Amino acid sequence: QKEVEQDPGPLSVPEGAIVSLNCTYSNSAFQYFMWYRQYSRKGPELLMYTYSSGNKEDGRFTAQVDKSSKYISLFIRDSQPSDSATYLCALRVAAGNKLTFGGGTRVLVKP
Amino acid sequence: GAVVSQHPSWVICKSGTSVKIECRSLDFQATTMFWYRQFPKQSLMLMATSNEGSKATYEQGVEKDKFLINHASLTLSTLTVTSAHPEDSSFYICSASHGASNEKLFFGSGTQLSVL
Repeated sequence: QKEVEQDPGPLSVPEGAIVSLNCTYSNSAFQYFMWYRQYSRKGPELLMYTYSSGNKEDGRFTAQVDKSSKYISLFIRDSQPSDSATYLCALRVAAGNKLTFGGGTRVLVKP
Repeated sequence: GAVVSQHPSWVICKSGTSVKIECRSLDFQATTMFWYRQFPKQSLMLMATSNEGSKATYEQGVEKDKFLINHASLTLSTLTVTSAHPEDSSFYICSASHGASNEKLFFGSGTQLSVL
């Protein structure tokens, strides 16, 4: 079993819909939770960063962390074709330590 | 967010040659940088952790003599693929920690290496 599980997709939604992404993990020691967006042949771009449990909102993006269930989510409201990319969750036990990535979910937003 | 610059963005080389990839933190100092490798439609695989002024820490299965890492300053880390072979062809990405507690990780734009 992988440390971090993420559905590879592709997840196809119409423009304007809400995109719902999630990851599950097995290591309860994870404290830092991040979501990255990666376009093809580009480096990942940090979208959301959360420490410990709770919700965080930034523009059209909302990140949720439920440590009791070992489950994290990313929601994208009012999705645009430019949101079409691969979304990677990344978890970290402590600051300065290496990230553990999910496999990534490919998202397609159709006009 | 913080900016990490990676160069070159792509390189084609002949088998047996060495290739150097540079990773720079442009507006912050990075005591720790990470090097990843990514195959098509797969997630990032950590190769090594680079600490300024000390030897890099390599992940299991990564040959340190094959992938030489140098982190001579707080803003520059380099990865040299020595005696490259076609199986080394891949997308290489660096990242650097930033923040009051180095909690956030920012990535370079990646380097596509093709070995003929």
